[in-house]
Amino acid sequence: DAGITQSPRYKITETGRQVTLMCHQTWSHSYMFWYRQDLGHGLRLIYYSAAADITDKGEVPDGYVVSRSKTENFPLTLESATRSQTSVYFCASRGGSTLYEQYFGPGTRLTVT
Amino acid sequence: EDKVVQSPLSLVVHEGDTVTLNCSYEVTNFRSLLWYKQEKKAPTFLFMLTSSGIEKKSGRLSSILDKKELFSILNITATQTGDSAVYLCAVSEYGNKLVFGAGTILRVKS
Repeated sequence: DAGITQSPRYKITETGRQVTLMCHQTWSHSYMFWYRQDLGHGLRLIYYSAAADITDKGEVPDGYVVSRSKTENFPLTLESATRSQTSVYFCASRGGSTLYEQYFGPGTRLTVT
Repeated sequence: EDKVVQSPLSLVVHEGDTVTLNCSYEVTNFRSLLWYKQEKKAPTFLFMLTSSGIEKKSGRLSSILDKKELFSILNITATQTGDSAVYLCAVSEYGNKLVFGAGTILRVKS
């Protein structure tokens, strides 16, 4: 299906475990983004990528790692999950201009116990 | 530090009412302001505003930007229960960041 998808949609993991959230888009958008959404904070940018093999930190990057070997995929890895990383994670993508809106994936609800 | 502030944080109205949601911002290199609607899932795009004083309209929703006073409003007329959602304001800077406000929770009662 065309669009932007995320997997898994729900994940429960334990403190200290590594977990990877997947994001896939079919539009060949050059830019991809990872946000977390927490009550009272709105959406906060974790990392973004302008193209394959180009990534940059956002507002809250600590504890997260990203890679982008292919244009269509942008996985987010929590190297050693902490309870403070319990959140809803949204992936987004957009075309090459900052005048294009971002399209959001359905989100992944992650719980760290 | 760049910031986007939305008000009110939440409000409850009755069907048919008109509501105005506010968004003020302080960012270094303003490019555009965006409004999104979020209903228990992914945010969906409503409007992008780049120029002051030009109203964007879609059905019962409209929005306008004031770049001198650094704010935007989103109006919803003749509200319906389907308008119940979180409304997010975000500001795009030159570069690639979107800075989001915390959102306004709107509940429309029948």
